[in-house]
Amino acid sequence: NAGVTQTPKFQVLKTGQSMTLQCAQDMNHEYMSWYRQDPGMGLRLIHYSVGAGITDQGEVPNGYNVSRSTTEDFPLRLLSAAPSQTSVYFCASRLGGSARFGTDTQYFGPGTRLTVL
Amino acid sequence: GDSVTQMEGPVTLSEEAFLTINCTYTATGYPSLFWYVQYPGEGLQLLLKATKADDKGSNKGFEATYRKETTSFHLEKGSVQVSDSAVYFCALSGAGGTSYGKLTFGQGTILTVHP
Repeated sequence: NAGVTQTPKFQVLKTGQSMTLQCAQDMNHEYMSWYRQDPGMGLRLIHYSVGAGITDQGEVPNGYNVSRSTTEDFPLRLLSAAPSQTSVYFCASRLGGSARFGTDTQYFGPGTRLTVL
Repeated sequence: GDSVTQMEGPVTLSEEAFLTINCTYTATGYPSLFWYVQYPGEGLQLLLKATKADDKGSNKGFEATYRKETTSFHLEKGSVQVSDSAVYFCALSGAGGTSYGKLTFGQGTILTVHP
């Protein structure tokens, strides 16, 4: 298993440009999510999905779009990039179910470092 | 809503020193608790977890005990190594309502271990 993969690894955008960060997992996980990591703030949830066709907002969703057409893929779209979106973005996945089934551990991809000028 | 508070960092230790990183949380119900580690330039890896009160998670010499009475999940290691230098994140997985399944992170603690 490749686990959770993310592309690209690095990206530089100009203000106003759009782009899509790719995330894929081959573990047949139902639950996928996107986080951003900023210094001194830990990781914050942007959007998440509990299965194909179902998405919802997290803590910091503004300026981002997601869709989940397959179980494997969960792309994150920046509609009009802003300097405030300069961050490291992590995708994560997990099986569905609760802690008592041992399925609540999330597995993270290697991250995408995005700079918006 | 759910929240996690970690001790302020960074933490600098000499090799073989004892490590404690404090973590306290606020959550409804009975969340699962996690410690993740991020080595330089890498993503997050699960270090250990605990899913109910008084559970002790352990891995690679690190330990943490789920204390519901003090809402804490402090990370400890008896003798740190240079290779333990990393950023450590405490996190909880929501147990109920709209927080179900979502990870809430602390701000992270940078650990540097010198030879």
